[in-house]
Amino acid sequence: KNEVEQSPQNLTAQEGEFITINCSYSVGISALHWLQQHPGGGIVSLFMLSSGKKKHGRLIATINIQEKHSSLHITASHPRDSAVYICAVDMDSNYQLIWGAGTKLIIKP
Amino acid sequence: GAGVSQSPSNKVTEKGKDVELRCDPISGHTALYWYRQRLGQGLEFLIYFQGNSAPDKSGLPSDRFSAERTGESVSTLTIQRTQQEDSAVYLCASSRQLSGNTIYFGEGSWLTVV
Repeated sequence: KNEVEQSPQNLTAQEGEFITINCSYSVGISALHWLQQHPGGGIVSLFMLSSGKKKHGRLIATINIQEKHSSLHITASHPRDSAVYICAVDMDSNYQLIWGAGTKLIIKP
Repeated sequence: GAGVSQSPSNKVTEKGKDVELRCDPISGHTALYWYRQRLGQGLEFLIYFQGNSAPDKSGLPSDRFSAERTGESVSTLTIQRTQQEDSAVYLCASSRQLSGNTIYFGEGSWLTVV
């Protein structure tokens, strides 16, 4: 079992839909990251959080430390949101980031 | 510089040749990471630096791979006797500290071994 699991692996939705991507982890963490990678492009950090909720524009990230679960939400989705969204965790025990496999999101106009 | 800078951005090399990839992290960032990403696949951790020290080299795929960092700045990833399976994008990232800090990625060095 992977230490960081993302779901779904692939998601296709219509423009305007509310999007949720989930990340579950099985290790103790000090922080969780959400990142975005556009096709052929670089990786951009969206959020880093260790508790509660953060919002940036149409993106919202939440984390429940007790349940070892985080969600990334996109409101009023747009085709430019099409990308791979990656969850990664900073482990308590060492300094190696553990990466999820990514969720490929396609938003159709 | 303002962001993480990597060079070259693209490199085509013949099988068996050595290549050197360079990463300039954001100024003041003590932590530096190297990752590999093959086409259509996820990130593969290679190595991290805290300052110029690399405590864990277990992610390097083989002894053909080596990395060093001078002070708390430039890092180089060297691949000796390149093989076709080394073809990938090599991504460098940096953060202010090793844990609990935002990670900033470079645009990557695209390596093609022919």
